[in-house]
Amino acid sequence: DSGVTQTPKHLITATGQRVTLRCSPRSGDLSVYWYQQSLDQGLQFLIQYYNGEERAKGNILERFSAQQFPDLHSELNLSSLELGDSALYFCASSGGTGSTGELFFGEGSRLTVL
Amino acid sequence: GENVEQHPSTLSVQEGDSAVIKCTYSDSASNYFPWYKQELGKRPQLIIDIRSNVGEKKDQRIAVTLNKTAKHFSLHITETQPEDSAVYFCAASKGGSYIPTFGRGTSLIVHP
Repeated sequence: DSGVTQTPKHLITATGQRVTLRCSPRSGDLSVYWYQQSLDQGLQFLIQYYNGEERAKGNILERFSAQQFPDLHSELNLSSLELGDSALYFCASSGGTGSTGELFFGEGSRLTVL
Repeated sequence: GENVEQHPSTLSVQEGDSAVIKCTYSDSASNYFPWYKQELGKRPQLIIDIRSNVGEKKDQRIAVTLNKTAKHFSLHITETQPEDSAVYFCAASKGGSYIPTFGRGTSLIVHP
């Protein structure tokens, strides 16, 4: 158990819809990262938050947005969903005391867009 | 930005053989190189990492080597076992951000 909690584990929705994925980081970690993993693809970095503020952006579509709340949990919002958005979305955290750079991943949220 | 290339995409070995996965990176400022293992249906987990001030690091049956001049690094697994079967990702990051850019992954299959 990494200590990172993601919900929901599975989500099936239709094109054009909007979903919200939730992540609770490890206790003490200040950074939250979101990654997208499509079939046969690597881990595509979407966005990072540090202590409530956006720190870095990767290949995140304009239809996607995220935020980190004062209690450090984070939400990834995906809107106007397309078939190609079907993927496994991972949240990871780091940045706690003594951080070495290791990312601790959650179990992922599998999104299926029909 | 950083670009990480990883080869091979699939590697099939017999139990007991060695396996080598190679990665190259583009940004000479990168200084942290982790390797993650992702078992089927599971989350990626760090198995070993190396920093740019070190040329080689070992942990039991796994080792990582880094050539900063050539900008490539490799994962070596000796005496492979079926439980080593997984997808392995290399990554590179720099500075204090530790945001890794991942390679596309290598699917390692160890046949009993």
